[in-house]
Amino acid sequence: EAGVAQSPRYKIIEKRQSVAFWCNPISGHATLYWYQQILGQGPKLLIQFQNNGVVDDSQLPKDRFSAERLKGVDSTLKIQPAKLEDSAVYLCASSLSRLGQGNTEAFFGQGTRLTVV
Amino acid sequence: LAKTTQPISMDSYEGQEVNITCSHNNIATNDYITWYQQFPSQGPRFIIQGYKTKVTNEVASLFIPADRKSSTLSLPRVSLSDTAVYYCLVGDGTGRRALTFGSGTRLQVQP
Repeated sequence: EAGVAQSPRYKIIEKRQSVAFWCNPISGHATLYWYQQILGQGPKLLIQFQNNGVVDDSQLPKDRFSAERLKGVDSTLKIQPAKLEDSAVYLCASSLSRLGQGNTEAFFGQGTRLTVV
Repeated sequence: LAKTTQPISMDSYEGQEVNITCSHNNIATNDYITWYQQFPSQGPRFIIQGYKTKVTNEVASLFIPADRKSSTLSLPRVSLSDTAVYYCLVGDGTGRRALTFGSGTRLQVQP
C-alpha cells in the first residue's frame, strides 16, 4: 500500500516570502492532518480535515497559514508571509477514522523541512 | 484533553528489555492509549494501541492497569535500530479528534 506522499522534502525561503506544501494521503482515508514539528519537540496539530471539511483548526495561525483539501483527497498548506519561527518540519498524516471503532492509526508522511532565513 | 507525562530520555543496551511508562491521570472513559515511534527525519509511526489490560503485537507490548491512569510500553530485546523518540498519546475513542503529541521519550540504545 502506498504511503502518505509529501512534497517538497526540503524548502528554504526568506522571511516574508510565501511557501506551499502538498500532501497526498493514503487512498480511502477520510481524515487528513497537518502537524508542525519544531526541532526537539513533538508534532503539534495545525489542522484536521474530515473529507473536505475542517474538523479542528484551533491551533492554525490563520493570519498567515491556510490549508485546503480539494475534493476530499489531496491537501495543500500555505504560509504567507513566512516568519523565522515557522522553521520546522511540516508533517501530513491520514487515517481511516471510522466512527465508534476506537482511535484508528494515523499514517504519517516523511514531512517537509522548511527553513526560513 | 488528557495530558501525558513520560520520561524525557532513557538509555539501554542491546538485548535488554525496555519499559517506558506514561502517566495520564485525567484519562477519560472513552480514551484509548496509543504509542508512536519516530526516527530522525521521518514521520511518527504507529506502534501499538490499547484500552485496558494488555495488548501485544510483533513489535511491543502495552500494559494498562485497571485504573488506566498510566501505561507501560515494553520493547523486548532492543537493538540499535530501536533508538528513537517514543510518544504516548491519549485520545477519544471516536477517531474524530486528532491525537496530541507531547515531547516524547528519547531512547538511546547502546551496543
